[in-house]
Amino acid sequence: DAGVIQSPRHEVTEMGQEVTLRCKPISGHNSLFWYRQTMMRGLELLIYFNNNVPIDDSGMPEDRFSAKMPNASFSTLKIQPSEPRDSAVYFCASSLSSPARGDEQFFGPGTRLTVL
Amino acid sequence: GENVEQHPSTLSVQEGDSAVIKCTYSDSASNYFPWYKQELGKRPQLIIDIRSNVGEKKDQRIAVTLNKTAKHFSLHITETQPEDSAVYFCAASNGYGQNFVFGPGTRLSVLP
Repeated sequence: DAGVIQSPRHEVTEMGQEVTLRCKPISGHNSLFWYRQTMMRGLELLIYFNNNVPIDDSGMPEDRFSAKMPNASFSTLKIQPSEPRDSAVYFCASSLSSPARGDEQFFGPGTRLTVL
Repeated sequence: GENVEQHPSTLSVQEGDSAVIKCTYSDSASNYFPWYKQELGKRPQLIIDIRSNVGEKKDQRIAVTLNKTAKHFSLHITETQPEDSAVYFCAASNGYGQNFVFGPGTRLSVLP
């Protein structure tokens, strides 16, 4: 398996533009997580899905952020409109079963987002 | 909700010495405690984990201990090597569908 795949790896955009980050989890994994990492705030969970259903989105910073998982092999994280403070590395991770089981999370390579 | 604290924030040790990183958590319902290692510019990767029914777990040079009463757990690395230099994150998770809360991380530098 290729592991968790994220695209793009780098994104530079201007304030106010829409940004879409993409993730393909490991085949057979039932849970998918979106994280944001910054020096100031560390590693923050934004949202996670179990069996394509959003379970906990309490970490989503505000209405400008939205996430979807239309099927078991694809998820998107969208920021509209983007702001400079959204600049961060966004990681997608997947695990075999629900977080309640405590399975290992496998992280993707991350998307480095810069909003000018 | 869960709150995870981690100390120290930075740690420098001489090659061959031991390193210890400590974490505390607030939610007594937490029952799964993983440790992730993140090398510079790379993704976090699980190195060891422990569940609440176990007090200690060891994997070669790495060990984790858990004290549920005091709500703290620690990572121990023995015979440190330069390739152990990285940021280490602890996390806590409960069994009620609430996901991991990561600690703020510890930057470990192993000096040759």
